[in-house]
Amino acid sequence: KQEVTQIPAALSVPEGENLVLNCSFTDSAIYNLQWFRQDPGKGLTSLLLIQSSQREQTSGRLNASLDKSSGRSTLYIAASQPGDSATYLCARMGKIKAAGNKLTFGGGTRVLVKP
Amino acid sequence: AAGVIQSPRHLIKEKRETATLKCYPIPRHDTVYWYQQGPGQDPQFLISFYEKMQSDKGSIPDRFSAQQFSDYHSELNMSSLELGDSALYFCASSNQLGQPPGDTEAFFGQGTRLTVV
Repeated sequence: KQEVTQIPAALSVPEGENLVLNCSFTDSAIYNLQWFRQDPGKGLTSLLLIQSSQREQTSGRLNASLDKSSGRSTLYIAASQPGDSATYLCARMGKIKAAGNKLTFGGGTRVLVKP
Repeated sequence: AAGVIQSPRHLIKEKRETATLKCYPIPRHDTVYWYQQGPGQDPQFLISFYEKMQSDKGSIPDRFSAQQFSDYHSELNMSSLELGDSALYFCASSNQLGQPPGDTEAFFGQGTRLTVV
């Protein structure tokens, strides 16, 4: 069974500290891995996409790495701010078929950045 | 830039009623996905369409059906609603045709919050 897991389920840090969010997946045959942010009761905002051929992607304070061999991706958020408080979800897009590939989500990590 | 549009944003229905959720993908996107997110849960895949044909099916109840129309908008029809159907329903779209492998990014709408009472 293809599974995506995120540990820890919740994380609380003081403002200014760097955040490290982990995502692991059991099937390394992926097209890509996407990181999303979700505020309570809101939609999913795409943060970063890493293609299976890439090792990392960066956008501002965000950096995501991908290690297919170990089935892991890590999202780093530098110098965290209270506005970074949200749930962060990773999702893998499978390599099963050429089109219409679906995203399989992890359970998310709920982040609280304390001022 | 245009995003994925979902309507309605909120919907309240009684048990055994029918609901229809609509999704308008980003222009020129060829793939639409539907996801269900229960309280405190991660999004669960329901169904997807590629170029108006069903491409994949997940844990979608038989009471639910979906289709994609010629203008690429999609509708999720839910009948005989149950209390457990109360959830956020997300639609997402992506452009897969002609993209390099792995360069397919999914964009999500704001969701429809369905409450069954």
